[in-house]
Amino acid sequence: DTAVSQTPKYLVTQMGNDKSIKCEQNLGHDTMYWYKQDSKKFLKIMFSYNNKELIINETVPNRFSPKSPDKAHLNLHINSLELGDSAVYFCASSPRGGEKLFFGSGTQLSVL
Amino acid sequence: DQQVKQNSPSLSVQEGRISILNCDYTNSMFDYFLWYKKYPAEGPTFLISISSIKDKNEDGRFTVFLNKSAKHLSLHIVPSQPGDSAVYFCAASAPGHSGYALNFGKGTSLLVTP
Repeated sequence: DTAVSQTPKYLVTQMGNDKSIKCEQNLGHDTMYWYKQDSKKFLKIMFSYNNKELIINETVPNRFSPKSPDKAHLNLHINSLELGDSAVYFCASSPRGGEKLFFGSGTQLSVL
Repeated sequence: DQQVKQNSPSLSVQEGRISILNCDYTNSMFDYFLWYKKYPAEGPTFLISISSIKDKNEDGRFTVFLNKSAKHLSLHIVPSQPGDSAVYFCAASAPGHSGYALNFGKGTSLLVTP
C-alpha cells in the first residue's frame, strides 16, 4: 500500500503542451510538497501546501500551478511546457513542516 | 544559493569497510538535519536524522555526527554492504525558513564493492 503515490511515472510530451502530474498520500499528513530534480541532480523545493493552503512558492514560473483539492492530494499542472522543464518531479508529504519527508517515486518528464 | 553542500559527488568503498559521507551547510539557523538514500527510479527514503541539540545519533550501522561550529555533518556506515550502494542526500531545515521545507544537497553516489 503505497504511502505517497504519483502518476504518471513517465511523461513524454512536446513543447507547448499542457500536462498534469497527480499526487496522493495516505499517511494522514498535513503538509505536501513538490520538488524538482534537475539534470544536475539537485533536489529543489517548488511548492509546499499545508492543509490545502499554499505555504511556499519558490521562484517557479507561473506556468506551474499546484492544486490541492484536499489535504491528501497535491497535483501539479504545467502550461506551455518548455525544454528546460525536463526533470524528475517528486511529490512528498510530512506530518508537519520541517519534519522528515516521505517521497513518491517521481515523475520523469521529458519535453521534446 | 545552495545552502547545503555535498562536495564529493561519488565515493567507492569495499564491503565491510566504513563509508563516510560528508555534508556542509551555510545557514546557521538550520536546526534539523537528515540523510536520505535514493535508488535509481525511486524516490528518496529517510535514513537518519539529528537535531541541533545533539552531536551524534546512531541507528544500527548508521551514525550521523553533527559539528555545529564547523557547520558540518557526516554519515558513517559501518560495516558497508553492497546494498548500501545508492545516492545519499543530506538535508536541513530551519524554523521559518522556506516554510520548513527541507533543503537538499546534490547527493553523493556511494558504491560498495564486494
